[in-house]
This record gives sequence, C-alpha cells and structure tokens, in this order.
Amino acid sequence: EAGVAQSPRYKIIEKRQSVAFWCNPISGHATLYWYQQILGQGPKLLIQFQNNGVVDDSQLPKDRFSAERLKGVDSTLKIQPAKLEDSAVYLCASSLAAGIQETQYFGPGTRLLVL
Amino acid sequence: AQSVTQLGSHVSVSEGALVLLRCNYSSSVPPYLFWYVQYPNQGLQLLLKYTSAATLVKGINGFEAEFKKSETSFHLTKPSAHMSDAAEYFCAVSVRSSYKLIFGSGTRLLVRP
Repeated sequence: EAGVAQSPRYKIIEKRQSVAFWCNPISGHATLYWYQQILGQGPKLLIQFQNNGVVDDSQLPKDRFSAERLKGVDSTLKIQPAKLEDSAVYLCASSLAAGIQETQYFGPGTRLLVL
Repeated sequence: AQSVTQLGSHVSVSEGALVLLRCNYSSSVPPYLFWYVQYPNQGLQLLLKYTSAATLVKGINGFEAEFKKSETSFHLTKPSAHMSDAAEYFCAVSVRSSYKLIFGSGTRLLVRP
C-alpha cells in the first residue's frame, strides 16, 4: 500500500513570502494531521482533520497559517507571510479513523527554510 | 496537561550492547504511550504502543518497552544494538480525552562499530 505522500520535499523562501505544502494521505484514511517539527524538538500538532472537518487547530497560528482538506482526501497547508521562526519540517500523517488506538502513519515531510 | 520528558538528547552504544532510551510522562489520567523512530530525511515510524493491556510491550525490530505506573516511565530497550538502529527516537503520550499525540524532544541513538 502506498504511504503518505508530501510535496515539495524542500523549500527555501524569504521572510514575508508565502508557501504551500501538499499532502496525500493513505487511501481510505479519514483522519489527517499536520505537524511542525523544529530542529531539535519533537513534532507538534498544528491541525487535525476528520474527513474534511477540523477536529483540533488549537496550536495553529491562524494569523499566518491556514489549512484545508477539500473533499476529505488531499490537504494543503499554507503560510502567509512566512517568518524566520517558521523554518522547520512539516510532517503530514494520516490514520484510518480518529481514535486513541489508531496508528498514525507519517509522510517524509517538507523541510522549509525561511531566510 | 500531558507531557513527555526524554532524558538524554544523545545516547551512544557499541554494536551488540544494550540499548536503553528513557522516557517519563506526566498525565493526570491513564495514558496511552508510544515510541516512534525517525531515520534521516524520513517520516516517523511507529515502533510500539502501550494501550493499557500488558505492561511489557514488544515492538518491531526487537525493541520493547515497559510501562511502570509507579515510576511514570516507559523506557525503550533492545538487548543488542545493530548499526541499522542508529536514528532518532521519540516518545509520545496521548490521553483518552484527546487523540492528540504529544511528543518528547527526541533521543538520537548512535551505534559505534
């Protein structure tokens, strides 16, 4: 079975520019997660979708970050405008359902560098 | 609030030696606990998880972890390290009221030949 796909794998932008990341979850997985992993830290959940609805976005900086999951499949995460502190790896994960025993499967991530 | 503390940002062992990676959690309710491994330039892969069944949990690649409520610990062990075990390991906690995973800061395992 194909894993979680993410693109691009790397992105370099200047501060105040905008950037978008794309995620395609495992087929049939209803729940999708976006995590931010800053160098030297563990991943931090930004937003969780159940189908195309938002379950948790409490740690998403909504003044600059936005995410959508149209049709309950693919998802995009956007940053506008980017700041230096947004430099991180952005990980997408998916699970079959939203449940504490459900395994989250992670994509390879998009490494963002903001100059 | 739930949290996870991983002691030691770097652990170095010789090939064939015991691997011990430490994880302590804080949770006001019985937690679910996870260990993930991350190889360079890859996403995280689940090693094992504790979901209140057996306290000794066996995972992939010969790893296991023991849940100790009295010590609020969930340390990861492997009897004999292999070069291919070199990676970063993350402990995570989730609680019954939320599906959110809260990760520790990670421990990088180095395996010396």
